[in-house]
Amino acid sequence: DGGITQSPKYLFRKEGQNVTLSCEQNLNHDAMYWYRQDPGQGLRLIYYSQIVNDFQKGDIAEGYSVSREKKESFPLTVTSAQKNPTAFYLCASRDRQGPLYEQYFGPGTRLTVT
Amino acid sequence: QKEVEQDPGPLSVPEGAIVSLNCTYSNSAFQYFMWYRQYSRKGPELLMYTYSSGNKEDGRFTAQVDKSSKYISLFIRDSQPSDSATYLCAMGASYGKLTFGQGTILTVHP
Repeated sequence: DGGITQSPKYLFRKEGQNVTLSCEQNLNHDAMYWYRQDPGQGLRLIYYSQIVNDFQKGDIAEGYSVSREKKESFPLTVTSAQKNPTAFYLCASRDRQGPLYEQYFGPGTRLTVT
Repeated sequence: QKEVEQDPGPLSVPEGAIVSLNCTYSNSAFQYFMWYRQYSRKGPELLMYTYSSGNKEDGRFTAQVDKSSKYISLFIRDSQPSDSATYLCAMGASYGKLTFGQGTILTVHP
């Protein structure tokens, strides 16, 4: 089955620790995205990547880092510099040649930092 | 001021009601308008999209865009309990980047 997988579904960390969230897709999409969702705030763009080895900051990149070494993978690291890391994190992908609206989402990872 | 404003609700309606969900926006460059549905603890799924002003219908769902007023709506006819979810509007202007509204939580009770 084609799709986007995110693991784990739930993640718990202590404050001060870095944590890496996984996102893998087998849709052969060039573009991948990371969003953060908080109650009452919708989705906010953290980072996005249009092609391998290239990525751009979104609206709330501070305290996060990404890499794009493979087309199918776009891991997100939440660093200790992120002041409020507890949130629901969503990964998405899109065919760069396709329409803008065809952005497919993974099931999300709920991160809790205490 | 946020680029996209959406009333977070929550909105509670009886089964069979007509539901109206709305978003306003400030960026005149937005050309693409989408509605996503998100069930609890899941990723959003695309429900409808439009490019231009006017109406677009798909079954019980109608998406409406008024670019002159910078206002978009989603209407759900004959609402069902299975429609209970968070509905997110999203808009795009530049290549590959979407701006989302805050999401409206909808509950349809039997």
